[in-house]
Amino acid sequence: AQKITQTQPGMFVQEKEAVTLDCTYDTSDPSYGLFWYKQPSSGEMIFLIYQGSYDQQNATEGRYSLNFQKARKSANLVISASQLGDSAMYFCAMREGSGDKIIFGKGTRLHILP
Amino acid sequence: DGGITQSPKYLFRKEGQNVTLSCEQNLNHDAMYWYRQDPGQGLRLIYYSQIVNDFQKGDIAEGYSVSREKKESFPLTVTSAQKNPTAFYLCASSRDRGLQPQHFGDGTRLSIL
Repeated sequence: AQKITQTQPGMFVQEKEAVTLDCTYDTSDPSYGLFWYKQPSSGEMIFLIYQGSYDQQNATEGRYSLNFQKARKSANLVISASQLGDSAMYFCAMREGSGDKIIFGKGTRLHILP
Repeated sequence: DGGITQSPKYLFRKEGQNVTLSCEQNLNHDAMYWYRQDPGQGLRLIYYSQIVNDFQKGDIAEGYSVSREKKESFPLTVTSAQKNPTAFYLCASSRDRGLQPQHFGDGTRLSIL
């Protein structure tokens, strides 16, 4: 069974609108971390934001925020005021406290329209 | 600046040939990882290492080999046994302790001639 599920293979959003990228996860470990990465067409993976399972507040980093709903096992990425440079592939990932590797979802390709 | 350096950026392999992809980090990270990415797909783990002179197979280790003789270096060899090696290869590293994010290199694109 997939541990990280990203149900949106692709999205088109108008510039300056907010974007929500969906991510659900599956784990029985009470300690885990959730990550979002951006991959532009050039290929490098850019770390965006991190949420720990014990964090009381949703993580925020500039225009990025993570809508963490623990009971629903959901960790959606919200990008406010989208820009053309946000067009990229976005990956949700999880590392379990008892594990030694990060598990990636299949990604969502985001297109920002001018 | 600290970071992860992968070389070369592009690599071409002839049939039956082994090739080695380089990955060097100066972040003083304990753990290092190799991923394969096929077009339009997510990342699949090939090998990882949490400490010098030790490494473990990931999900798709067949046809690949690694070594970890130094903390800074984690080269990946794509052997002739890997029948479909054309892909984008990403190296990553992280602090081993705690729930730390991985930092990635810029990748190597491998193609078959």
